[in-house]
Amino acid sequence: DTEVTQTPKHLVMGMTNKKSLKCEQHMGHRAMYWYKQKAKKPPELMFVYSYEKLSINESVPSRFSPECPNSSLLNLHLHALQPEDSALYLCASSQVGLAEAFFGQGTRLTVV
Amino acid sequence: AQSVTQLDSHVSVSEGTPVLLRCNYSSSYSPSLFWYVQHPNKGLQLLLKYTSAATLVKGINGFEAEFKKSETSFHLTKPSAHMSDAAEYFCVVNLNRDDKIIFGKGTRLHILP
Repeated sequence: DTEVTQTPKHLVMGMTNKKSLKCEQHMGHRAMYWYKQKAKKPPELMFVYSYEKLSINESVPSRFSPECPNSSLLNLHLHALQPEDSALYLCASSQVGLAEAFFGQGTRLTVV
Repeated sequence: AQSVTQLDSHVSVSEGTPVLLRCNYSSSYSPSLFWYVQHPNKGLQLLLKYTSAATLVKGINGFEAEFKKSETSFHLTKPSAHMSDAAEYFCVVNLNRDDKIIFGKGTRLHILP
């Protein structure tokens, strides 16, 4: 199994809503990532978890809250988002150390 | 700063001619380097990877890349372009020290009939 599964595929939320994005992998990878990708731009790193501990936070606003409940799951909790947060959110996983990342298909988020 | 630089934002080639997408990296450590492709409204697919073994790396769909430490480059090539190669290509670095995987700005490859 070389898949990273993200749910939902599409999400529309209001600025006062609370929602969560979910990501799952069963490849035994101990590094997991959240990226944000705006149209015609490269993915931007948001968070990295290594061995279920947050190792990198790229100065992401607190309205984005990551969580890694176990080695297979990664969540991104969303609260009080702004319209400019509308983007494709990509989850990825890799072995720790110099390895390639495997990406999910992403969640396309629209904030209205 | 440790990063990757893709030298061309757009590249256009005719079908059947060679493809060259350029990437330079900057790192204080020995990085791993990758090329990913993203077709419109699709996910990211790994084309090939360099992780300090052979410097000439072969990937999927006829692509290959050569790691040149003296030039800090990792350019992507393909001998003969196909219409299906039209996509966005990202040069990506994994900085081992903290598992930080960083993308270049991307190169849009256009294939002319």
